[in-house]
Amino acid sequence: SQQGEEDPQALSIQEGENATMNCSYKTSINNLQWYRQNSGRGLVHLILIRSNEREKHSGRLRVTLDTSKKSSSLLITASRAADTASYFCASNAGGTSYGKLTFGQGTILTVHP
Amino acid sequence: DGGITQSPKYLFRKEGQNVTLSCEQNLNHDAMYWYRQDPGQGLRLIYYSQIVNDFQKGDIAEGYSVSREKKESFPLTVTSAQKNPTAFYLCASSGRQGETQETQYFGPGTRLLVL
Repeated sequence: SQQGEEDPQALSIQEGENATMNCSYKTSINNLQWYRQNSGRGLVHLILIRSNEREKHSGRLRVTLDTSKKSSSLLITASRAADTASYFCASNAGGTSYGKLTFGQGTILTVHP
Repeated sequence: DGGITQSPKYLFRKEGQNVTLSCEQNLNHDAMYWYRQDPGQGLRLIYYSQIVNDFQKGDIAEGYSVSREKKESFPLTVTSAQKNPTAFYLCASSGRQGETQETQYFGPGTRLLVL
């Protein structure tokens, strides 16, 4: 079953604007990851944040994690048309589940030139 | 080039037929995974394998089977028992050291269609 819920399901913005996507999960996690999927392609890993971290940056990406609320957000700053894709959060429970990930439903981001 | 390959890109299945999807990786990763993605949905785990000759069921294993005879290969068979096989199938792998153990690397996917 899917553990993660993402919000919004779809987001449409203009180039240069910021895009924020939110993710909620249900059980304790070891880390939370964000992936990107271009239409009809495989997923590409973007960033990983551990349960003891609150914020992480990578280029134009900023991820936050609030374990008390079991939620995370992904911010893409100064978006570009090439950022158009689906974005998924994935939680890793750690322990005996090893590398298993539970994916959210995804947010479809469209960036208009 | 290092990476994960999946073949074929498109696969057509006739009713009652078993079909096998190929997944090969040259990343020297221990763990491999199979996911199913339906239109507008997230990924659901079918099977995963953490080591050669061992694999575990995921959330939606019914109607599917796998084998892991070699570290590099993790084929998925969609059996005739899977009544709704039309979907996009993604294979992934993850390594052992540091963050590579926890992040997954994906193949380009196979789209399975029923005739």
